[in-house]
Amino acid sequence: SAVISQKPSRDICQRGTSLTIQCQVDSQVTMMFWYRQQPGQSLTLIATANQGSEATYESGFVIDKFPISRPNLTFSTLTVSNMSPEDSSIYLCSVGDRANYGYTFGSGTRLTVV
Amino acid sequence: GENVEQHPSTLSVQEGDSAVIKCTYSDSASNYFPWYKQELGKRPQLIIDIRSNVGEKKDQRIAVTLNKTAKHFSLHITEKQPEDSAVYFCAARNQAGTALIFGKGTTLSVSS
Repeated sequence: SAVISQKPSRDICQRGTSLTIQCQVDSQVTMMFWYRQQPGQSLTLIATANQGSEATYESGFVIDKFPISRPNLTFSTLTVSNMSPEDSSIYLCSVGDRANYGYTFGSGTRLTVV
Repeated sequence: GENVEQHPSTLSVQEGDSAVIKCTYSDSASNYFPWYKQELGKRPQLIIDIRSNVGEKKDQRIAVTLNKTAKHFSLHITEKQPEDSAVYFCAARNQAGTALIFGKGTTLSVSS
């Protein structure tokens, strides 16, 4: 399965600022996703990162708040913009292969907004 | 869109006992149902999965069953051991056939 490198692993940020999280995969993958996991909660899909086009956002998530880039088949970024304490969470990158159904996760970015 | 319900939210068992976690999904077009184990502070790890053309799958002490008609699937873990203590998530692949939608998770505690 694909090996995912996600960084930073954690950060403490001031409210009103932005943080960009990077996801690098060791092989080309067809599908990349971003999830949010609030403390003690499940994984909530933020968006599907589409290579060469705009991301597909789930209900409740908008591009202005969570801009996503995916310039190629091995890399994606998620930016959390104009942060507030409610954005404190773990953000996870995930990749999938439609052919073999394998989905793996990065190690996550633990974000604290103060 | 797809909605996945998971029960129970917490489960406590004795070492050696069996445990069952159940999930239901809403989209009849969903065709892939994985289960993940997440230990504290770690990423979710796939433990078993099942596709819609199969009714049951086993892997050592764990098994998953799928009832497409009723739109539910279950995880069965036998001979529970303390290292099985973790949060377990079920998931279903969404309408677009791409992303996974997760249940709310089951916190499993195994006492010796």
